[in-house]
Amino acid sequence: RKEVEQDPGPFNVPEGATVAFNCTYSNSASQSFFWYRQDCRKEPKLLMSVYSSGNEDGRFTAQLNRASQYISLLIRDSKLSDSATYLCVVNRRAGNMLTFGGGTRLMVKP
Amino acid sequence: EAGVAQSPRYKIIEKRQSVAFWCNPISGHATLYWYQQILGQGPKLLIQFQNNGVVDDSQLPKDRFSAERLKGVDSTLKIQPAKLEDSAVYLCASSLAGTGGPYEQYFGPGTRLTVT
Repeated sequence: RKEVEQDPGPFNVPEGATVAFNCTYSNSASQSFFWYRQDCRKEPKLLMSVYSSGNEDGRFTAQLNRASQYISLLIRDSKLSDSATYLCVVNRRAGNMLTFGGGTRLMVKP
Repeated sequence: EAGVAQSPRYKIIEKRQSVAFWCNPISGHATLYWYQQILGQGPKLLIQFQNNGVVDDSQLPKDRFSAERLKGVDSTLKIQPAKLEDSAVYLCASSLAGTGGPYEQYFGPGTRLTVT
């Protein structure tokens, strides 16, 4: 079983739609959680951290359920520029060592 | 502020040949990481340095891969000999270090390696 699992997609949605991605992780000792965004043939970039209380950044909302070992990302009012691969990332333990999921590909269409 | 620099950007070699990649992290970042990203997969950590010491290299195939960060700044990753399955993008990242983390990792543009 992979340590961080995501649905690879692709998710094809129209502009303005709301879309949600889910991710599960297997290591219950994982300490911190993130969503990274990766554009085609580019490097990953941090989108947002994920906190137990849930957090929002503009159109993006991230949530963490430690009991179920589940992380989510919600994108409201999708834009064409949101088209990318979204990587669920878990910090396994102290030391800033990240484990990446395989990514979920989002394609927003006009 | 300059980002993480990597070179070369692209490399094509034949199997059994050797190849080396170079990374220059963001100034002041004590921690440096090398990742391998195979097409369609997420990045996989190969090795993590803090200054010039290795923090973790548990996923580095040590029979053919080696990495060094001799002066605690630049780093090189070498593959010798290369196999077809080494075809991937090799990403270097850097971050701050110390208490108060975790710290955001900043990635370089990567080196795209094709082994034929």
